Parts: sequence; structure tokens; C-alpha cells
Amino acid sequence: DIVLTQSPVTLSLSPGERATLSCRASQNVNSVFLAWYQQKPGQAPRLLIYGTSIRATGIPDRFSGSGSGTDFTLTISGLEPEDFAVYYCQQYDTSVYTFGQGTKLEIK
Amino acid sequence: VRLVESGGGLVQPGGSLRLSCVASGFTVSSNYMNWVRQAPGKGLEWVSVIYRAGGTYYADSVQDRFTISRDLSKNTVFLQLDSLRAEDTAVYYCARSATDGRPAPLDYWGQGTLVTVSS
Repeated sequence: DIVLTQSPVTLSLSPGERATLSCRASQNVNSVFLAWYQQKPGQAPRLLIYGTSIRATGIPDRFSGSGSGTDFTLTISGLEPEDFAVYYCQQYDTSVYTFGQGTKLEIK
Repeated sequence: VRLVESGGGLVQPGGSLRLSCVASGFTVSSNYMNWVRQAPGKGLEWVSVIYRAGGTYYADSVQDRFTISRDLSKNTVFLQLDSLRAEDTAVYYCARSATDGRPAPLDYWGQGTLVTVSS
């Protein structure tokens, strides 16, 4: 199975700053099949980005994704208070899907 | 689009439960349907998927213990949990993959149902 490793585990930033979250795969992932999710406490996850760089419906353009092969990045430009949450990458390239362990984005 | 899970609860180790996920606003037969779980204070773990044609796949951690199925007449997906262990304690989410024939991300999620395995 493909193992996804996210870094950092926790990221402490202030509103207005830029966040860069990393997701590294144990083997190549077709970039068409890489997604990012946001989860806030007590809520179900929400799809943010799919196909590495395509924003899901209603997702603001301060969220962007990039990458290929084994290295993928979620960037949040100009953090808003509602962006502080946990973020997960996920691959659906293989029959057995996998998630990264998550990055907690917290207010500094 | 709405997904509503039910069937969670407290069960002893070695016991069984059947989770249900009722879908509305779309047909499960036209999509891939997934189960994802989250242990208390932990991250997301993908559990299982059922494809449009009925094929199924499982995470290694639940292979041979859990079974995903569906009832198209009720537009409902199920997850049968057998031989439960303490480490299966989690919130179980149902989620849709709106496929066009290829794998797709999980675009709609239910609110989850809590399964607690304890004696």
C-alpha cells in the first residue's frame, strides 16, 4: 500500500501568513489521483483539492495544490481565521486508498 | 446530496455490528461508495470501497473481518463489522466518490457514527 507522510505534524502561523503543507508518498502517485481535505473539530472532513491542483466547488482561491510523483504541496495564501484546522492528503491511485496522518494548522 | 449513517454503538470484543449509510440526492449505483474511520483523537483511515459494478476493496487492517455491501432498492450502503477489536473503536464515516468511471475523490461525507469496542 502507498504510505503518505505529511509534514510538518503541526504548523503554527498567524492570520494573513502563508501556509505550506507537504505530503510525500512512498511510491509514485498519478497526480490525477491526489486530494486534500480539511477537517475541523467535531465535523466531517471536507474536500478541498483533487487532481493535485483542482479546487473543489466553493473552495476559495487562496487554497492551491501542486506537485507530482511522490511530492505534493498544499498552499494556503493569506490565512483566514477559519482556515485553522487539520489537513489530510489522500491518494486514490490504487485500489486501496490511503490518507496521510494529517497536519494540524494552529494559530500562533 | 446527503449521507446519513447509523448503527454504531457499544459492542464487546469479538462482537459484530452492521452500519448503514442512507444516501439521498444521488444514486449509490452510479458512484463509488466508501467507508472511512477515525479513532478518537487520531487521523483518518480509509476502510473500504464498493465500486459501481459491485467490486469491493478493503484496508489490510480490516480485510476478512469487515464486509461492504449495498441495497440499491434502498439506496443504502452497509458495512458489516465482525470479530471486532478494541482498535476498531472509531467514528465511521460514509463518503461518496463521484466517479466518471475512474477513481474519484471523496466529495460528500456523512456525519459519522461512533463504534466503541469495549468489555
